[in-house]
Amino acid sequence: DAGITQSPRHKVTETGTPVTLRCHQTENHRYMYWYRQDPGHGLRLIHYSYGVKDTDKGEVSDGYSVSRSKTEDFLLTLESATSSQTSVYFCAISEFRGNEKLFFGSGTQLSVL
Amino acid sequence: GENVEQHPSTLSVQEGDSAVIKCTYSDSASNYFPWYKQELGKGPQLIIDIRSNVGEKKDQRIAVTLNKTAKHFSLHITETQPEDSAVYFCAASPSGAGSYQLTFGKGTKLSVIP
Repeated sequence: DAGITQSPRHKVTETGTPVTLRCHQTENHRYMYWYRQDPGHGLRLIHYSYGVKDTDKGEVSDGYSVSRSKTEDFLLTLESATSSQTSVYFCAISEFRGNEKLFFGSGTQLSVL
Repeated sequence: GENVEQHPSTLSVQEGDSAVIKCTYSDSASNYFPWYKQELGKGPQLIIDIRSNVGEKKDQRIAVTLNKTAKHFSLHITETQPEDSAVYFCAASPSGAGSYQLTFGKGTKLSVIP
């Protein structure tokens, strides 16, 4: 899928523990995104990056932080996981400005017990 | 902010028939409208997109129409095949530099019955 790898693919964790999800791309695209997908809500933007060390918040950023120290890697961290963060997380990349023509990874299923 | 409504939430068609999925949006500043297809266990995949300066766009069996005055756009799939079965999402956004918020509809589960 356009050279995007998400890891892990599945994770089960306990409330209050920190969790980091990784997105790795081999396309050298400038723009990277983290979305979450929940039944009844579709896809919602958490954070995005428009370059190395350039990140900003999306519509559902509370409880999440991100980092991008290299073009190819975009990390999503849940500092203290809560049950409401149980979701499927998708990373997306694009070479175009803004949000056009996104390529999505295969997702990470996260369960917070 | 933008609000995108998508209908229907589920759709079943016989193989060979056409399928139509409709979306409405609220923000008149939106001018980029993509459609994504998501197969089970996979990430969404862009299948077609349209900008507001175009009223219709076709790609083989798939077409999208846009009515900016009424703020709605539709996905049309003709001669449906079993491999078209998936969840389809519409989305809307302002396009161009500095526009990162893509608002998605809640999805339509399309089932094509052989």
